[in-house]
Amino acid sequence: GENVEQHPSTLSVQEGDSAVIKCTYSDSASNYFPWYKQELGKGPQLIIDIRSNVGEKKDQRIAVTLNKTAKHFSLHITETQPEDSAVYFCAAPFGNEKLTFGTGTRLTIIP
Amino acid sequence: ETGVTQTPRHLVMGMTNKKSLKCEQHLGHNAMYWYKQSAKKPLELMFVYNFKEQTENNSVPSRFSPECPNSSHLFLHLHTLQPEDSALYLCASSQVGGSETQYFGPGTRLLVL
Repeated sequence: GENVEQHPSTLSVQEGDSAVIKCTYSDSASNYFPWYKQELGKGPQLIIDIRSNVGEKKDQRIAVTLNKTAKHFSLHITETQPEDSAVYFCAAPFGNEKLTFGTGTRLTIIP
Repeated sequence: ETGVTQTPRHLVMGMTNKKSLKCEQHLGHNAMYWYKQSAKKPLELMFVYNFKEQTENNSVPSRFSPECPNSSHLFLHLHTLQPEDSALYLCASSQVGGSETQYFGPGTRLLVL
């Protein structure tokens, strides 16, 4: 099945600095890569996603990059703010119906 | 709000109890999912329903019994659970297909005593 590895497991960043979280996947047929943010007491919320026909996508302070050759994709958060503190999950599809999730990154923004 | 609601939000039950978790989606999706989220583990897919038909049962013990009466509602019936079943149970919905965005509910925090 699909194997998704996510690093780092924890990340502390000074407010205003950038944060980068990386994921690798195993199934070369995967063509959709979402990123989810989970705040305390809530379910995961989609923050950005990318499909395999593009290499980069941006939405304000958030960007995702995809390297299909190397089978990895990354989440970039610039100008971090305290409200960015949360657990972030990457995912990649396996088969026609399933998403395989990474193990999560706990991001802490230090004021 | 994501358009996916779950009740109850918190549940404490004994090992001999029977309870049910409920999920409802208002997004017009035709696929619904149950996930288990335990501390320090990846999200574990439990069940998938497409157009009300179960298409995935990820080796889940029979003490968890799903029910999908229509494309908008999903239940998870619980009986004779074990303490290790304590976790956050998340429901999600999407259009059919692994490359479709899944929208999650807030989850039910379950504690089995």
